Amino acid sequence: GAGVSQSPSNKVTEKGKDVELRCDPISGHTALYWYRQSLGQGLEFLIYFQGNSAPDKSGLPSDRFSAERTGGSVSTLTIQRTQQEDSAVYLCASSPSLGENIQYFGAGTRLSVL
Amino acid sequence: GEDVEQSLFLSVREGDSSVINCTYTDSSSTYLYWYKQEPGAGLQLLTYIFSNMDMKQDQRLTVLLNKKDKHLSLRIADTQTGDSAIYFCAENPDYKLSFGAGTTVTVRA
Repeated sequence: GAGVSQSPSNKVTEKGKDVELRCDPISGHTALYWYRQSLGQGLEFLIYFQGNSAPDKSGLPSDRFSAERTGGSVSTLTIQRTQQEDSAVYLCASSPSLGENIQYFGAGTRLSVL
Repeated sequence: GEDVEQSLFLSVREGDSSVINCTYTDSSSTYLYWYKQEPGAGLQLLTYIFSNMDMKQDQRLTVLLNKKDKHLSLRIADTQTGDSAIYFCAENPDYKLSFGAGTTVTVRA
């Protein structure tokens, strides 16, 4: 696609429910990144993929968070048993490679946990 | 505390130049970046500079890099109302970007 696409753009859920956030990177980009933007914490790095592999998961806030990438393209960020502190904008970015680290961002998914 | 620091607010008159400053900590960053975020939108890559460059100009945007002082600046010439947004400075000591808190630029008539 022309840019990084994220869906849904907005998600409202109840505390305790699971949510899945989707990211479709720019075609041909091998590296994909997830960040979270919240009022109290600013922009935080969560996880990155090179191809389908996620070498470093240390940025994930808790074991309720997981992510996968299939076919070297679409990625899904899953949050289980959501809590109110998970409310934030989740941003996805992609870059041509890890070495050519010019990251282009999607519009984000705004998650609200009630 | 944050590794990348920026002032939080800047108010500028329409038509004047805006200068946004940033200091970073990691001298191993290959690139340094400026992103723009408008209300309700994602991050738009405005420009970036290689760490071995001192200056980069792109239309109304001028980026200056002082590696000795780890200081990065973004100058926007002839600031317009459409330039009102939050501007983020970022470094990449490794694969991930490390962002500043963002500078909110308000353009007044």
